[in-house]
Amino acid sequence: EDKVVQSPLSLVVHEGDTVTLNCSYEVTNFRSLLWYKQEKKAPTFLFMLTSSGIEKKSGRLSSILDKKELFSILNITATQTGDSAIYLCAVMGDTSYGKLTFGQGTILTVHP
Amino acid sequence: DAGVTQSPTHLIKTRGQQVTLRCSPKSGHDTVSWYQQALGQGPQFIFQYYEEEERQRGNFPDRFSGHQFPNYSSELNVNALLLGDSALYLCASSQDGRDYEQYFGPGTRLTVT
Repeated sequence: EDKVVQSPLSLVVHEGDTVTLNCSYEVTNFRSLLWYKQEKKAPTFLFMLTSSGIEKKSGRLSSILDKKELFSILNITATQTGDSAIYLCAVMGDTSYGKLTFGQGTILTVHP
Repeated sequence: DAGVTQSPTHLIKTRGQQVTLRCSPKSGHDTVSWYQQALGQGPQFIFQYYEEEERQRGNFPDRFSGHQFPNYSSELNVNALLLGDSALYLCASSQDGRDYEQYFGPGTRLTVT
């Protein structure tokens, strides 16, 4: 059975800090790993990673995948209060028709 | 272009009752997946519908059933509600063959008392 474990479960920082969120996984026939941000209700897509060692970047957010060690990290630099949210990591296998297996999420709180 | 919509937003039911939740996919999408997100947990896959058929199912009992209509909208039905069914129910839509691009709706918050 596919499994995703995220750490830490929660994190409290101040504006301007840099944070690193971790995601380790087990999946049959890995296809992709995805990161989502969930503020109120609907998770919104951040990144999809399929290849090892290639960093994806979007503004202050970046993510990288290590397929050998079965983990990914999400970095957020110069955090802002608007970054406060739950960050979800999910994996997809290549026979899963798009079924996502999520971790329990990391709750990030950024104080002014 | 409307994104994924779900109704109702909130719902309160009593143990033993039945509930129906609704989802309209994003325009151009033909596949709908349902997820259950309990408080403090990540979403868990319930099932996926494509071409009006259940294509894949997660580890949920038969009390959870669904339907997809010719216009691709979908319903999730839960019978004999338990307190543990209280959760946020999320619908995600995608295009067949592009299932890595899933768009989530705002969810329905179900409370079972």
